[in-house]
Amino acid sequence: AQSVTQLDSHVSVSEGTPVLLRCNYSSSYSPSLFWYVQHPNKGLQLLLKYTSAATLVKGINGFEAEFKKSETSFHLTKPSAHMSDAAEYFCVVSDPPGGSYIPTFGRGTSLIVHP
Amino acid sequence: NAGVTQTPKFQVLKTGQSMTLQCAQDMNHNSMYWYRQDPGMGLRLIYYSASEGTTDKGEVPNGYNVSRLNKREFSLRLESAAPSQTSVYFCASSERGADQPQHFGDGTRLSIL
Repeated sequence: AQSVTQLDSHVSVSEGTPVLLRCNYSSSYSPSLFWYVQHPNKGLQLLLKYTSAATLVKGINGFEAEFKKSETSFHLTKPSAHMSDAAEYFCVVSDPPGGSYIPTFGRGTSLIVHP
Repeated sequence: NAGVTQTPKFQVLKTGQSMTLQCAQDMNHNSMYWYRQDPGMGLRLIYYSASEGTTDKGEVPNGYNVSRLNKREFSLRLESAAPSQTSVYFCASSERGADQPQHFGDGTRLSIL
């Protein structure tokens, strides 16, 4: 069975400082992993995905994530936070059982960016 | 460039009333999903449809029914609304496959009094 844990419910940073949002996963397979962003009163938007190619994945808006199998982690980073990055972020794991998949969502991390 | 369209955007119901949430996608995706989002709980899967003509229960299906009307449309019905169903509901679609990302609508905010 697959599962995902986002280690922080809230992360607070100052504008211009690095962002780190942590995600650990559990999977019996070689999973696909995703990060989505949700701005207030909007739906979720894909930031990036990992699907067993390069372990360092680059996404939109300067975000990237590194897949570390030995640590079962897929942390999201950005070198310099911008005010517009303030949002809810979700880590998602997906196994391929039997040809159809059911993604599992983490509970989300709220990123707060201070001026 | 519509993507996934959900209607209505907001709704207030009284306990016991029924209602259908509508979802349509224009990306020719095979798979569609209904989620509910509650504070601190992330997204929880209510029902999904891997392809036209099939539907399956997710994590929290009780109190809900779904219909995959055609490849584009996937509706969610509350037969007898309860206050515990107050939530934000999201519809999503994707190509079939574990490596395929989901595309989300902007949600329906539902309050049940």
